[in-house]
Amino acid sequence: EIVLTQSPGTLSLSPGERATLSCRASQSVSGNSLAWYQQKPGQAPRLVMYGVSSRATGIPDRFSGSGSGTDFTLTISRLEPEDFAVYYCQQYGSSPRTFGQGTKVEIK
Amino acid sequence: EVQLLASGGGLIQPGGSLRLSCAASGFSFSSYAMSWVRQIPGKGLELVSAVTGRGDGPYYADSVKGRFTVSRDNSQNTLYLQMKSLRADDAAVYYCAKCGSSDSCYSPLDPWGQGTLVTVSS
Repeated sequence: EIVLTQSPGTLSLSPGERATLSCRASQSVSGNSLAWYQQKPGQAPRLVMYGVSSRATGIPDRFSGSGSGTDFTLTISRLEPEDFAVYYCQQYGSSPRTFGQGTKVEIK
Repeated sequence: EVQLLASGGGLIQPGGSLRLSCAASGFSFSSYAMSWVRQIPGKGLELVSAVTGRGDGPYYADSVKGRFTVSRDNSQNTLYLQMKSLRADDAAVYYCAKCGSSDSCYSPLDPWGQGTLVTVSS
């Protein structure tokens, strides 16, 4: 099983600042099959990024993804108020498909 | 607009059974594999089951294998999760989510339904 470890656990930033979220896999992720989801309180997760660096429909270009192998990053270039949420990474290239434990991006 | 509406959650005693449903609309339901993902409130996510567009080749997480059964009715655009022998650690919000292809759920999940809460307690 591929274990995904996200860091930091919590990121305290101000609107307009840059957010850098990390997702490290215990073994190489097959075929760049790495996604990121955003979850706000009381809501279902929403796909933000897939295939490491492809933005999902409707996701603004301040979101970008990068990485390969075992190290992946989600970057939000300038935080907007609606970006404060919990972000989860997921690998979907091998079974079992697994999620990281999440990074909370909170308002400083 | 793609919509997924999960229902069927509730309070159930340990050892009991429950069936969750997920009504889909806005896309060709039979053309996509579907999945169930659960989340213990305040905790992480676990993909517990998935099924192809045809309704075969089910996947189950080890934690639910032998106790949960996934199925779908493509004529009714509905996904199901039959849960038996429920345990306290099955308590979670259960989300249905659309996979990216017909044959498997080795894909990102998009979109997700709103979730239905399952509470297991005596």
